[in-house]
Amino acid sequence: NAGVTQTPKFRVLKTGQSMTLLCAQDMNHEYMYWYRQDPGMGLRLIHYSVGEGTTAKGEVPDGYNVSRLKKQNFLLGLESAAPSQTSVYFCASSDSSWQPQHFGDGTRLSIL
Amino acid sequence: GIQVEQSPPDLILQEGANSTLRCNFSDSVNNLQWFHQNPWGQLINLFYIPSGTKQNGRLSATTVATERYSLLYISSSQTTDSGVYFCAVEQYGGATNKLIFGTGTLLAVQP
Repeated sequence: NAGVTQTPKFRVLKTGQSMTLLCAQDMNHEYMYWYRQDPGMGLRLIHYSVGEGTTAKGEVPDGYNVSRLKKQNFLLGLESAAPSQTSVYFCASSDSSWQPQHFGDGTRLSIL
Repeated sequence: GIQVEQSPPDLILQEGANSTLRCNFSDSVNNLQWFHQNPWGQLINLFYIPSGTKQNGRLSATTVATERYSLLYISSSQTTDSGVYFCAVEQYGGATNKLIFGTGTLLAVQP
């Protein structure tokens, strides 16, 4: 019973490098979300998806892109990493609009 | 946009004590969830509670939507209850489960 799985768990990048974070869920959920968490703060929504092939912007979308080609996967891309993107990234999913969100264990990303 | 405020920001308890955490929000909501982030950083959904009262073991939550607040009660606290408790809401009219998080209450339960 994996739930929401995030890959990788840790990563260090240099400024200007690109990378993709992968989120996979095995609960057949329609909705998926990417958040970032910075020290002393709550989570802020980056992008979200309400179904396969759909994506939309959240509170802090700048510098990130996403894709949802398959229902079970939600990818978060950083095209040109910046130190301000150093954070812990969480993926979540839910069955529908008014259902609990379930989170992955997070990806700790450092940009040097 | 909607503002979510949690209080207290920090709380230290002795094992066995009870506590109440509060979440105030600035506008009507149709979705409110409580989460626990354990010391290892994992986020666990405790309650989906846009209104009313729910109980799960030693935890219970009450949301009074008309007065724009929610309370999380922890009874007979244990060291494993330590961590950060977040309240998150979606503003009324939304239908995408986009959550706005408060800044959390940091709870430390001492043996």
